[in-house]
Amino acid sequence: NAGVTQTPKFRVLKTGQSMTLLCAQDMNHEYMYWYRQDPGMGLRLIHYSVGEGTTAKGEVPDGYNVSRLKKQNFLLGLESAAPSQTSVYFCASHARGVTGELFFGEGSRLTVL
Amino acid sequence: DAKTTQPPSMDCAEGRAANLPCNHSTISGNEYVYWYRQIHSQGPQYIIHGLKNNETNEMASLIITEDRKSSTLILPHATLRDTAVYYCIVRVDPSISGTYKYIFGTGTRLKVLA
Repeated sequence: NAGVTQTPKFRVLKTGQSMTLLCAQDMNHEYMYWYRQDPGMGLRLIHYSVGEGTTAKGEVPDGYNVSRLKKQNFLLGLESAAPSQTSVYFCASHARGVTGELFFGEGSRLTVL
Repeated sequence: DAKTTQPPSMDCAEGRAANLPCNHSTISGNEYVYWYRQIHSQGPQYIIHGLKNNETNEMASLIITEDRKSSTLILPHATLRDTAVYYCIVRVDPSISGTYKYIFGTGTRLKVLA
């Protein structure tokens, strides 16, 4: 089992460029999340999805878009990257249920110049 | 949303028990307490969770006070590999937020000393 896989793991962008981060999970999980982590801080929720075809905003959604066309994939898009979006991005997923454990990917480190 | 307060850092001698405290004084009755840890910049790793009762698994023990306003994660015999940032998280019920919302604080940086 691969678990939660994020691609790419590293990326450098110029201001104004666009890109998409892909999160794939092979555990048939309904819930998927995108977080960002800035130096010395905890994780902040960007967007989430409670099932295929659904998405919703988290704490810090501005500048990001997401899509969940397939149950196993959750895409995070930056339409026009800004230096403030330099961060480490984590995808997570869990099954439906009262005490579903949250499984994380290994992170994607994004630098916007 | 319930929030957590943890000390920013702690040291522990190798082989000794590490006791990591967490305050969550605004926790609601149906909100679970979860503990995760993050080693270097890897993805956070699940440790344990609980609602009211104390819990134990192969990694750690979780002690929750009777009023549920605080909890302690216990690593019974800390090793150098336990050096990490430990996050105490309150999970908000989806009936309130639309999804299970895991609220991360800044965590406790535990350093296990040889």
